[in-house]
Amino acid sequence: EAQVTQNPRYLITVTGKKLTVTCSQNMNHEYMSWYRQDPGLGLRQIYYSMNVEVTDKGDVPEGYKVSRKEKRNFPLILESPSPNQTSLYFCASSFYLAGGPVEQFFGPGTRLTVL
Amino acid sequence: DQQVKQNSPSLSVQEGRISILNCDYTNSMFDYFLWYKKYPAEGPTFLISISSIKDKNEDGRFTVFLNKSAKHLSLHIVPSQPGDSAVYFCAALGYQGAQKLVFGQGTRLTINP
Repeated sequence: EAQVTQNPRYLITVTGKKLTVTCSQNMNHEYMSWYRQDPGLGLRQIYYSMNVEVTDKGDVPEGYKVSRKEKRNFPLILESPSPNQTSLYFCASSFYLAGGPVEQFFGPGTRLTVL
Repeated sequence: DQQVKQNSPSLSVQEGRISILNCDYTNSMFDYFLWYKKYPAEGPTFLISISSIKDKNEDGRFTVFLNKSAKHLSLHIVPSQPGDSAVYFCAALGYQGAQKLVFGQGTRLTINP
């Protein structure tokens, strides 16, 4: 089954404790992206990757890191989480087609709470 | 600076009637517009899109209309069904390329039996 998976689905942590949210897709997609969803703000892009070893900042990259060492995986790293990073996070992937649009497939989401 | 806006946080419609969800944007460089549907505890799923060179796109019960001069688009669902109850996000494909989606705040649609 074609899908984007995220782990964990739910996480409660404390300020300053490093964490990683994993994202994996099995569709051989070049493009992967992380979004956060907050009430009244919709989804905002954090980071994206157009292919292996190619990553760039989205609209709200502060406090986050990513890596793309393999095509299928795109982990989101919070080196020192803070309460303002409490949010619902989505990973998405798609084929890359310059000029778009290409349907982006979203993972089920990770609800993160930072105390 | 919200480039894509959905000014109605919620909408309630009777089953069988038409649902109209609205979206406004400020950036005239957007090339495509998309609607995503989201159920609780799931990720958004693609519903329908429209190119900026068109003014209408239809797919079954779903039709998207684009008014470029007003920088406004709308999603029509006819007839509305209980399974349509979800949060709907309007999104625009950013002119920066790289398939960056710029999302609106979302509208929660409730279809009443």
